[in-house]
Amino acid sequence: DVKVTQSSRYLVKRTGEKVFLECVQDMDHENMFWYRQDPGLGLRLIYFSYDVKMKEKGDIPEGYSVSREKKERFSLILESASTNQTSMYLCASLTRNTEAFFGQGTRLTVV
Amino acid sequence: AQRVTQPEKLLSVFKGAPVELKCNYSYSGSPELFWYVQYSRQRLQLLLRHISRESIKGFTADLNKGETSFHLKKPFAQEEDSAMYYCALSPYAGNMLTFGGGTRLMVKP
Repeated sequence: DVKVTQSSRYLVKRTGEKVFLECVQDMDHENMFWYRQDPGLGLRLIYFSYDVKMKEKGDIPEGYSVSREKKERFSLILESASTNQTSMYLCASLTRNTEAFFGQGTRLTVV
Repeated sequence: AQRVTQPEKLLSVFKGAPVELKCNYSYSGSPELFWYVQYSRQRLQLLLRHISRESIKGFTADLNKGETSFHLKKPFAQEEDSAMYYCALSPYAGNMLTFGGGTRLMVKP
């Protein structure tokens, strides 16, 4: 059973703080993704990674960065959190036949 | 660039009624198409993919390349089908997924 685990279910941070969202998968998948999920907008891709130390920008990378130092871990970083980054963040790991396994999500509130 | 459009944000039907959730896509090549579902308080998960051509939980979806559509259908909706449904596209196997805006299906008793 593939497991994708996000470190926090709920986070509340102040404007301007640096925020780290962690994601770990246990199935040795090469591809990992960070999406944000907003009502009416669906899932929008922030960043993805095809391998260790490799990253690609998605559709909405502004204000975010990522880190992939180990294959199983993919971190999303908000350099200086802003209120418009309040959202649900979903991490996913992708099999070679394109089935995505998602984490439980992190609901981030920036105040 | 690829794009996925789900025109309905909310679809409400009575139990036993037919259901069709619409999905249209734009992509110049021959992509892979998927439907993902998120039940209340559960993770987003794969429901079905077009290449497998199978029925999952009574749902089917046919890829219409001429109309660039991949609508999800079920002849008789059940209350447990109530969930958020997302259509998704991948340019090729193992590549990134682009999702639509989602449709919330509510099946009333």
